[in-house]
Amino acid sequence: AQSVTQLDSQVPVFEEAPVELRCNYSSSVSVYLFWYVQYPNQGLQLLLKYLSGSTLVKGINGFEAEFNKSQTSFHLRKPSVHISDTAEYFCAVSDFGNEKLTFGTGTRLTIIP
Amino acid sequence: GAGVSQSPSNKVTEKGKDVELRCDPISGHTALYWYRQSLGQGLEFLIYFQGNSAPDKSGLPSDRFSAERTGGSVSTLTIQRTQQEDSAVYLCASSPPARRGGLRYYNEQFFGPGTRLTVL
Repeated sequence: AQSVTQLDSQVPVFEEAPVELRCNYSSSVSVYLFWYVQYPNQGLQLLLKYLSGSTLVKGINGFEAEFNKSQTSFHLRKPSVHISDTAEYFCAVSDFGNEKLTFGTGTRLTIIP
Repeated sequence: GAGVSQSPSNKVTEKGKDVELRCDPISGHTALYWYRQSLGQGLEFLIYFQGNSAPDKSGLPSDRFSAERTGGSVSTLTIQRTQQEDSAVYLCASSPPARRGGLRYYNEQFFGPGTRLTVL
């Protein structure tokens, strides 16, 4: 069975500061990894995904994430955050033979002006 | 183009009543998924459709929950005899035919805005 752990439920960050949102997963097989963002009162939107190849993936809105197989991590980073980045961020995994996504519990990112 | 739509956006019901939640996927998307987002449980998978068939129903929490999909398009999630613990946001997602992503095919899922269900 696969699982996803997002250690930080809430992360406050000053505007224009860098941020890292942590995600660790467990799975017995090869995985695909995703980060989704949910803005207030909106649905989930795909930020970025890791399928294969380069371990550093770039997404929308200046976000990037790095896949680390040995540490089973897929942390999300942004070098300088903006007020508009205030949202909840979900890490998700799908593995071979499973069409469903397994989500972490989410990290609420709050940007402090 | 139009995204995934869900109706109603909000539903308040009394304990013991049945409810139906509707999902209209993106046109041409062959796969459809239902998830539930609740305070205590986070985002949980409920059921997955490929066309009109449901090869994975493993996330349905009890036999009070059922879902169907007709014409390879619209899906309805039905909850019978609702309980207070059913209160949650029910999310629907759809994905196009699988694409190659390295070792295997994958489906990129596009989510609707959800239906917020409140059981009093």
